[in-house]
Amino acid sequence: GAVVSQHPSWVICKSGTSVKIECRSLDFQATTMFWYRQFPKQSLMLMATSNEGSKATYEQGVEKDKFLINHASLTLSTLTVTSAHPEDSSFYICSALDRGREKLFFGSGTQLSVL
Amino acid sequence: AQSVTQLDSHVSVSEGTPVLLRCNYSSSYSPSLFWYVQHPNKGLQLLLKYTSAATLVKGINGFEAEFKKSETSFHLTKPSAHMSDAAEYFCVVQAGFQKLVFGTGTRLLVSP
Repeated sequence: GAVVSQHPSWVICKSGTSVKIECRSLDFQATTMFWYRQFPKQSLMLMATSNEGSKATYEQGVEKDKFLINHASLTLSTLTVTSAHPEDSSFYICSALDRGREKLFFGSGTQLSVL
Repeated sequence: AQSVTQLDSHVSVSEGTPVLLRCNYSSSYSPSLFWYVQHPNKGLQLLLKYTSAATLVKGINGFEAEFKKSETSFHLTKPSAHMSDAAEYFCVVQAGFQKLVFGTGTRLLVSP
């Protein structure tokens, strides 16, 4: 079964609204989680690294004020797309690092459509 | 900078025939390379990984990949395709601590 749960799996929202995506590690504590974005026919691109209890590290070109990341517990990281616009429509996917098993586990992704 | 190129966006095979998914990498040092599979509505699953040990890496579900430095390739193969193998496959290179760089993906289609 899934060890990383990501919700929602898809969301449609109006332009200007905010959307929150959750990523939970189900059977391990994840001090580090990663957020990726994938545009159609393109690679998954790392957006940011989320560390429990500290600020996220954003990749170059990713607006930290637009993509708010909160990693307040060892099993949950959230990505909030603020004031979403149609160009933010994309597939967002998270992964969580299980240091004990030295493995990365991925969520099933969230398809965001902004109208 | 580390990168991977997946040469085919789609590959179609018949059930029972061999599978070849091609991947070339670019890296300034000895890379760690991975193949992930994504089935519809499911998370990415690690198939196999290469970390500078044996050049022929065996993974789950009968898949294997061979690291060829001279060709900068890491192609994924399986002797006999199964219907359940139909999915999206990603070749991935590690570009830092747990920082992964993904290829554009190859969709494998398996016909009866």
